[in-house]
Amino acid sequence: NAGVTQTPKFRVLKTGQSMTLLCAQDMNHEYMYWYRQDPGMGLRLIHYSVGEGTTAKGEVPDGYNVSRLKKQNFLLGLESAAPSQTSVYFCASRERGELFFGEGSRLTVL
Amino acid sequence: AQTVTQSQPEMSVQEAETVTLSCTYDTSESDYYLFWYKQPPSRQMILVIRQEAYKQQNATENRFSVNFQKAAKSFSLKISDSQLGDAAMYFCAYRSLSGTASKLTFGTGTRLQVTL
Repeated sequence: NAGVTQTPKFRVLKTGQSMTLLCAQDMNHEYMYWYRQDPGMGLRLIHYSVGEGTTAKGEVPDGYNVSRLKKQNFLLGLESAAPSQTSVYFCASRERGELFFGEGSRLTVL
Repeated sequence: AQTVTQSQPEMSVQEAETVTLSCTYDTSESDYYLFWYKQPPSRQMILVIRQEAYKQQNATENRFSVNFQKAAKSFSLKISDSQLGDAAMYFCAYRSLSGTASKLTFGTGTRLQVTL
């Protein structure tokens, strides 16, 4: 069982570059989420989706865009990366009450 | 908006001993879920235990148990017979049952060290 898979696992960007993080789940879950984790701040919700074709803003959406064109995939985009977006990014999908997390993607913006 | 507070940035426990991690939360809702997640150095987020607010009985999972005090809005995690593999970051999380998105709100985490 693959569960929730995030790619890439690591990435280094220069300020102003763009990139996309891919989250794929094979559990047929409707709900998907993108979180960022920063030291001393826990996990904060960036964007989420309640089903194919839908997206909504979370707690810290600025500087990010998302798309859910297919039910199994949830993409997180950075159009113009900034050093403040250096973080570990987690994708999750939900089944009933439990969230299933990916392994995280460490992004460094220089 | 709900908030979750973990006031202990770091805790230490000796192997085989018992440790309690604290969590408080703020909400005006009467029904919700509470969770404890473990994050080892591998970064993977692992669900440790879950508590439904409408249940008075405290949840238990093997060596892990909670002390859920709804009136006090407190949700502590007790780890008994601590093992070296319990060393990790532990996050308390709240999930509202209102709305459809069921978003989780996390605390800032407690780093648990287990010593010999």
